[in-house]
Amino acid sequence: QKEVEQDPGPLSVPEGAIVSLNCTYSNSAFQYFMWYRQYSRKGPELLMYTYSSGNKEDGRFTAQVDKSSKYISLFIRDSQPSDSATYLCAMMAPTGTYKYIFGTGTRLKVLA
Amino acid sequence: DTEVTQTPKHLVMGMTNKKSLKCEQHMGHRAMYWYKQKAKKPPELMFVYSYEKLSINESVPSRFSPECPNSSLLNLHLHALQPEDSALYLCASSQDRTSGGTDTQYFGPGTRLTVL
Repeated sequence: QKEVEQDPGPLSVPEGAIVSLNCTYSNSAFQYFMWYRQYSRKGPELLMYTYSSGNKEDGRFTAQVDKSSKYISLFIRDSQPSDSATYLCAMMAPTGTYKYIFGTGTRLKVLA
Repeated sequence: DTEVTQTPKHLVMGMTNKKSLKCEQHMGHRAMYWYKQKAKKPPELMFVYSYEKLSINESVPSRFSPECPNSSLLNLHLHALQPEDSALYLCASSQDRTSGGTDTQYFGPGTRLTVL
């Protein structure tokens, strides 16, 4: 079993839809949770960062962490064609090793 | 400013060439990283420098040689690469937890490397 599981998609939605992207994980030591957006042939761009459980909102983006279920989500409201990209979840344990564990990434396509 | 810059954007090299990739950040971050990313895969960690010292080497072949000349710069020297080394090479930086940082990594745009 992989430490982090993420559906690779592709996920196609109409413009304006609410998008839900998810990752599950097995290591209960993870406490830092990140979401990155990566456009084709570009570097990953940090979207959201959360520590431990709870919700965090930034504009159209909401990140949720449920440590009891080992499940994290990223919601995108009012999705736009410009949101079409690959979304990577990443997580890390507070062990001082600097090592992210990435999900495989979900390809999202928002149709105009 | 959360910018990490990388040069060159594209690089084509033969298997006998020697080239270098460069990365720069001016956010005062003391941890810097090299990743390799193949198409439709997540980034794979290669090296981590913390306070200009090599902290992690993920068993990377010696044809890849990292260097951290100062706290803002990170180089990756390439020599005798193989075609399977063709990939997007990403640099990232973060604060350091020992200094109270969050370790959130900020990535550069990458260098797309093609080995012929």
